[in-house]
Amino acid sequence: EIVLTQSPATLSLSPGERATLSCRASQSVSTYLAWYQQKPGQAPRLLMYDVTNRATGIPARFSGSGSGTDFTLTISSLEPEDFAVYYCQQRYNSGTFGQGTKVEIK
Amino acid sequence: EVQLVESGGGLVQPGRSLRLSCRGSGFTFGAYAMAWVRQAPGKGLDWVGFIRSKASGGAIEHAASVKGRFTISRDDSKSMAYLQMNSLKTEDTAVYYCTRETEGASGYWGQGTLVTVSS
Repeated sequence: EIVLTQSPATLSLSPGERATLSCRASQSVSTYLAWYQQKPGQAPRLLMYDVTNRATGIPARFSGSGSGTDFTLTISSLEPEDFAVYYCQQRYNSGTFGQGTKVEIK
Repeated sequence: EVQLVESGGGLVQPGRSLRLSCRGSGFTFGAYAMAWVRQAPGKGLDWVGFIRSKASGGAIEHAASVKGRFTISRDDSKSMAYLQMNSLKTEDTAVYYCTRETEGASGYWGQGTLVTVSS
């Protein structure tokens, strides 16, 4: 089973700052990597698929990069609505998720 | 508008069975792969499995943690996906989400249905 490790567990930042979230896979997942955002009491929302592609309606401040085993989700300038938990997921072999990174207001 | 509505959750004793249903609307149900994802209280997301569209071969995959106990199926004529859960354990307690695949990811999610396994 492919294990995804996200870091950091918590990211404390202020609105307007840049957020950089990491996702590392235990083996290559090629570019079959997606990112989701989840707010309390809500279902997750797809942000990015195939590493670099924004899902419908996702603002351009969200971007993804990486390939193989190391991936990054970047939020260029945090808006108040971006404070949430973020998960990466690989679909190269089955569909495991990372444990999540919480982006909280500093 | 794409909508997914799960049903069938509730309280069940360990060792018993439960079947979850997911009704899709606002899209051609049979054209898309469907997946199930769960989330234990206060925990992260846990992929349960998925079923491809018949046009893509209809393959089904289950996570190792549920293989042999859970079975995913679909009835395209009813726009329904199902998750049959047998031999339930307390650690299966979670909100279960039905999702529609888009570009190999879960692009649309239902609101979830809570399954509580307890004696």
